[in-house]
Amino acid sequence: LAKTTQPISMDSYEGQEVNITCSHNNIATNDYITWYQQFPSQGPRFIIQGYKTKVTNEVASLFIPADRKSSTLSLPRVSLSDTAVYYCLVGDGSSYKLIFGSGTRLLVRP
Amino acid sequence: EADIYQTPRYLVIGTGKKITLECSQTMGHDKMYWYQQDPGMELHLIHYSYGVNSTEKGDLSSESTVSRIRTEHFPLTLESARPSHTSQYLCASTDRAITGELFFGEGSRLTVL
Repeated sequence: LAKTTQPISMDSYEGQEVNITCSHNNIATNDYITWYQQFPSQGPRFIIQGYKTKVTNEVASLFIPADRKSSTLSLPRVSLSDTAVYYCLVGDGSSYKLIFGSGTRLLVRP
Repeated sequence: EADIYQTPRYLVIGTGKKITLECSQTMGHDKMYWYQQDPGMELHLIHYSYGVNSTEKGDLSSESTVSRIRTEHFPLTLESARPSHTSQYLCASTDRAITGELFFGEGSRLTVL
């Protein structure tokens, strides 16, 4: 089962770009990498998903190097409302067991 | 908006009581999950199901049990609640575990006195 490792916390200021990296050294060939955002007292919410190279949507970009052993979530020009916990999720490719890592607590300051 | 519902949202109950947390989804998803999360802590997978009549235990040992008699319904039961069961319980579903998006309910916050 692919285990993920993320920084425990990060600080940023409004308007800055934030990059959160997740390590998943044991990722399986058919695993996808998915990032979720969670606010207090709410369930996590899907942000972005990718398999390799770069994926971009209206809220974030996801960079995945060729070896796929890590991934970086990029949040452009963060605002105070981006203060949340961010999780990367990697399935094990062979079952339906979806296990979240510890997550990264992002604090955006004015 | 995700069509996945959890009831009750909040429950305060005494030790020894039996409780059932309900989770229903109207999206026809075959895979459903229960996660347990204490305030400020990470999510722990306690149960999951990949279809009707299938239930599996997650990575965190739990005294709760689940059932999956209907596709849309995945209730979680505690036969005898204890203060150590105090936590938030989050239900989720997806139609594709590998490439799909997990949709979460609002959660059930349980307090056992």
